[in-house]
Amino acid sequence: DTGVSQDPRHKITKRGQNVTFRCDPISEHNRLYWYRQTLGQGPEFLTYFQNEAQLEKSRLLSDRFSAERPKGSFSTLEIQRTEQGDSAMYLCASSLSGTGGEKLFFGSGTQLSVL
Amino acid sequence: GQNIDQPTEMTATEGAIVQINCTYQTSGFNGLFWYQQHAGEAPTFLSYNVLDGLEEKGRFSSFLSRSKGYSYLLLKELQMKDSASYLCAADGWEGATNKLIFGTGTLLAVQP
Repeated sequence: DTGVSQDPRHKITKRGQNVTFRCDPISEHNRLYWYRQTLGQGPEFLTYFQNEAQLEKSRLLSDRFSAERPKGSFSTLEIQRTEQGDSAMYLCASSLSGTGGEKLFFGSGTQLSVL
Repeated sequence: GQNIDQPTEMTATEGAIVQINCTYQTSGFNGLFWYQQHAGEAPTFLSYNVLDGLEEKGRFSSFLSRSKGYSYLLLKELQMKDSASYLCAADGWEGATNKLIFGTGTLLAVQP
């Protein structure tokens, strides 16, 4: 197991197009998180899953964003009708348990550029 | 509400000691994480403090005061490779949801 992997590493798209990112967490981790990070800022929470259940979505996540984790393993994050303001690094992280205090293991992220 | 404050940038000299401060306001606080992030890379775990006091781990130490809502990360014997962003993150609860709330990060530049 080599940690959390994300695909693709980079995505360039035109405004109005749909994009989908994939995250494969560490295999035994039951929690999976999506964060967004822009230059010079810390990661901002978007949503998280415990197993296959999506337990919370941030108010940052508009209706154009949807995330799934169908079998409690990998997850996808889709952005529909992309806007230039969606340009950011999208980070996935996973952890074990869920009672608080568990450290997050981050993937290398997907850098999205919307032209 | 939730709020994490840390300096935006710091500069230090190779071989020196630097302290990066962080203040936080969160509900249902569990503990305080520090992560290191090099440009274009994923954040990597440095430390997690639950109890008050100083925890030392090699060249890096982290301190927590729960009553003051304050933490710091201490880096000793600075090396050029320590140039990175250092993220303070509070592990807290919003209702029934446990999550990490990150600060903006402190960009540390280590100079020769």
